[in-house]
Amino acid sequence: SSELTQDPAVSVALGQTVRITCQGDNLRNYYASWSQQKPGQAPVLLIYAQNTRPSGIPDRFSGSRSGNTASLTITGTQAEDEADYYCNSRDNSGNHVVFGGGTKLTVL
Amino acid sequence: QVQLQESGPGLVKPSQTLSLTCTVSGGSIGGGFYWSWIRQHPGKGLEWIGYIYYSGSTYYNPSLESRVIISVDTSKNQFSLKLRYVTAADTAVYYCAREDSSAYSWFDPWGQGILVTVSS
Repeated sequence: SSELTQDPAVSVALGQTVRITCQGDNLRNYYASWSQQKPGQAPVLLIYAQNTRPSGIPDRFSGSRSGNTASLTITGTQAEDEADYYCNSRDNSGNHVVFGGGTKLTVL
Repeated sequence: QVQLQESGPGLVKPSQTLSLTCTVSGGSIGGGFYWSWIRQHPGKGLEWIGYIYYSGSTYYNPSLESRVIISVDTSKNQFSLKLRYVTAADTAVYYCAREDSSAYSWFDPWGQGILVTVSS
């Protein structure tokens, strides 16, 4: 199996840009997806196939990859973006799924 | 628009079997997607449990594989989770979700989640 590593917590000033990272060897072979979870709610898909946004997701959310690190970038962070963010991908077997530990984003 | 809804007991006794069902509405459970179970321990991150394809093929998290069975009933547009020999460590919110069956592995939509507490 593989592991995905995320920083536990990140903070950003309102209106600024923040990057949330997800690191794992399997990311060299598989794209990461990103989900947002607000307290008491189910996760919501933000980004898939590295940098594709589902309908309804604002374009201030974007994804990228460099080597074994996937990134979620929020440009012009809004107060409502304060949430937990999770990356996931397939493991190196291609048959299982792994999640990162999650990053709690605080908007100052 | 596809929607998923978990159902089942919110309280299970230790050593017994946790049984949950996910009902899919607004679309067919057949073809093109994996149907997944994911859980979240209180205050913790997401843990993938496993998924099933409409044909019945399954993959499970290796850490849970000895205790998990996921099944599908295409006639009812439902899939189910059974987790045997539960302990307090299995107390969590359990989500069902639709997963893309390509190499991309994205989950959308998710059910609202159901809290299952393991306690005597």
